[in-house]
Amino acid sequence: DTGVSQNPRHKITKRGQNVTFRCDPISEHNRLYWYRQTLGQGPEFLTYFQNEAQLEKSRLLSDRFSAERPKGSFSTLEIQRTEQGDSAMYLCASSSGTQPSSYNSPLHFGNGTRLTVT
Amino acid sequence: TQLLEQSPQFLSIQEGENLTVYCNSSSVFSSLQWYRQEPGEGPVLLVTVVTGGEVKKLKRLTFQFGDARKDSSLHITAAQPGDTGLYLCAGEVDMRFGAGTRLTVKP
Repeated sequence: DTGVSQNPRHKITKRGQNVTFRCDPISEHNRLYWYRQTLGQGPEFLTYFQNEAQLEKSRLLSDRFSAERPKGSFSTLEIQRTEQGDSAMYLCASSSGTQPSSYNSPLHFGNGTRLTVT
Repeated sequence: TQLLEQSPQFLSIQEGENLTVYCNSSSVFSSLQWYRQEPGEGPVLLVTVVTGGEVKKLKRLTFQFGDARKDSSLHITAAQPGDTGLYLCAGEVDMRFGAGTRLTVKP
């Protein structure tokens, strides 16, 4: 178990550019989550995959955000035409929860990708 | 979406003091999870509470799930500087987080 890995750790980009982040979950985990966190706040849910299927996407997520998990393993989160308001820590988490379930397995988080849009 | 409110938002205490932080909702949860997050890192699970009225202890940390499974509390006894961090609760099934309580324990 090597844990959840996120790359890059830091990304600085200019407004209007596209960025892509990668998340490698714990290998046997079938659930993968993306969250966004700003300073002093809790993680804000963005989207969730069960294997390769994207089962839920936050209504707060604009059309500039897209996430994929093509083979049910790693996932990518792309932000197009970045804005300064996109500056945040982007966290990925995985778990081994199954449906239906009385309660979720715990989330295992990566250390995040910190995005700065200038 | 089930909303979780955490209080207080900030808490600064001296080493050795006791404290309690709260996680409240108007919704009923199958379970609640508590996490602690340190700067520059992702949250790390502390405990999952499942049964209404359940009390779980983790060394100096005591977690309680409300009888109605709408709220939870975390009590820390004799806080230490190493307890400093952002304490977060998350509700199952949708795994949404509260805004957290930022705890600072001064030596």
